[in-house]
Amino acid sequence: AQSVAQPEDQVNVAEGNPLTVKCTYSVSGNPYLFWYVQYPNRGLQFLLKYITGDNLVKGSYGFEAEFNKSQTSFHLKKPSALVSDSALYFCAVSVGWGGGADGLTFGKGTHLIIQP
Amino acid sequence: DAGVIQSPRHEVTEMGQEVTLRCKPISGHDYLFWYRQTMMRGLELLIYFNNNVPIDDSGMPEDRFSAKMPNASFSTLKIQPSEPRDSAVYFCASSPRQGLSQPQHFGDGTRLSIL
Repeated sequence: AQSVAQPEDQVNVAEGNPLTVKCTYSVSGNPYLFWYVQYPNRGLQFLLKYITGDNLVKGSYGFEAEFNKSQTSFHLKKPSALVSDSALYFCAVSVGWGGGADGLTFGKGTHLIIQP
Repeated sequence: DAGVIQSPRHEVTEMGQEVTLRCKPISGHDYLFWYRQTMMRGLELLIYFNNNVPIDDSGMPEDRFSAKMPNASFSTLKIQPSEPRDSAVYFCASSPRQGLSQPQHFGDGTRLSIL
């Protein structure tokens, strides 16, 4: 079975500082990894994904994430945080080629709070 | 382009009543997913369809829950009879042909309260 861990319920960052939201995963097979963001009373919005290729992937709103196979991690990063980045962030994993049909498994989410 | 459309946005009903949640996926998307979000359990995949066929319903909590996709543009999630512990936000999402390697597009959800 696949799983995702987001070890921090909340991350607080001052505006203008770099931010990191952590994610580790477990799958049997090659992973497809995703980050989504959720604003209040809205559905999840896709930020970025890793399927294959370069370990550093860039996404929407200046976010990027680094795939680390040895550490089974996919941390979300941004060089300079904005107050408008405050939201709930979800990491998700599905099994890539050679895997099954378990669908997408989400972490429990991390509240990102950017302080002015 | 219209995104994933869910209705109703809010539903309040008494326990024991039948509840039907509706979803219209993005046109041309072959995959449709139903999720449930609660504070305690986070975001859970309930069931997903490929080309209108249910692929994995292992996340459906009980026989009280059922989902159908009669055609490519419509899906329902039904709870009968409803219970207070079913209170949650239910999301529908769709994705294109490549399925699990592609981003899912989420609707804005149905907030369900069972009294």
